[in-house]
Amino acid sequence: NAGVTQTPKFQVLKTGQSMTLQCAQDMNHEYMSWYRQDPGMGLRLIHYSVGAGITDQGEVPNGYNVSRSTTEDFPLRLLSAAPSQTSVYFCASRRISLGVDGYTFGSGTRLTVV
Amino acid sequence: AQSVTQLGSHVSVSEGALVLLRCNYSSSVPPYLFWYVQYPNQGLQLLLKYTSAATLVKGINGFEAEFKKSETSFHLTKPSAHMSDAAEYFCAVRGYSGGGADGLTFGKGTHLIIQP
Repeated sequence: NAGVTQTPKFQVLKTGQSMTLQCAQDMNHEYMSWYRQDPGMGLRLIHYSVGAGITDQGEVPNGYNVSRSTTEDFPLRLLSAAPSQTSVYFCASRRISLGVDGYTFGSGTRLTVV
Repeated sequence: AQSVTQLGSHVSVSEGALVLLRCNYSSSVPPYLFWYVQYPNQGLQLLLKYTSAATLVKGINGFEAEFKKSETSFHLTKPSAHMSDAAEYFCAVRGYSGGGADGLTFGKGTHLIIQP
């Protein structure tokens, strides 16, 4: 199993550019989510989804869009990148039907906005 | 609302000494608690979890944590530190500060330094 796969691993954007961070999982997990990690801040929830066609906002959703057309994929879109979005982004997933269990995290995307 | 406080952004111990990383939580629902470890330039790996079963939870790599409801704590310990334990450690509680029951609320992390 590949687990949770994030692409790209590194990205540099100019202010105002748009891009999509990809997240795919092959574990048939219903729940998927995006976090951002900033120094001294821990990880903060951006958006999450409990299944295809269902998404909701987390703690810091502004500036980000998501959609969930399939169980496997949960892309995160930055429509107009800002320097404040420089961060490391993690995708995480878990199986809802197994109750509360540990989340499986991807290896992250390091994004720099200049 | 959920919140997690990790005391000490950096903890330094000697190799072979006891490791103690502190975590206190606040939760508006029965707490499910987690400890994750992050090695440099890697994602997060689950060390252990508490989900209302035994209050003393054993995890991977010799770590364990004890859930104490009266103290709202879930401290992580390891009897003897190894150099390979040097990493960032995050405590997390189920739910996020916006009120949702899913997702995780993380502490700010504790950087564990192992002195030879």
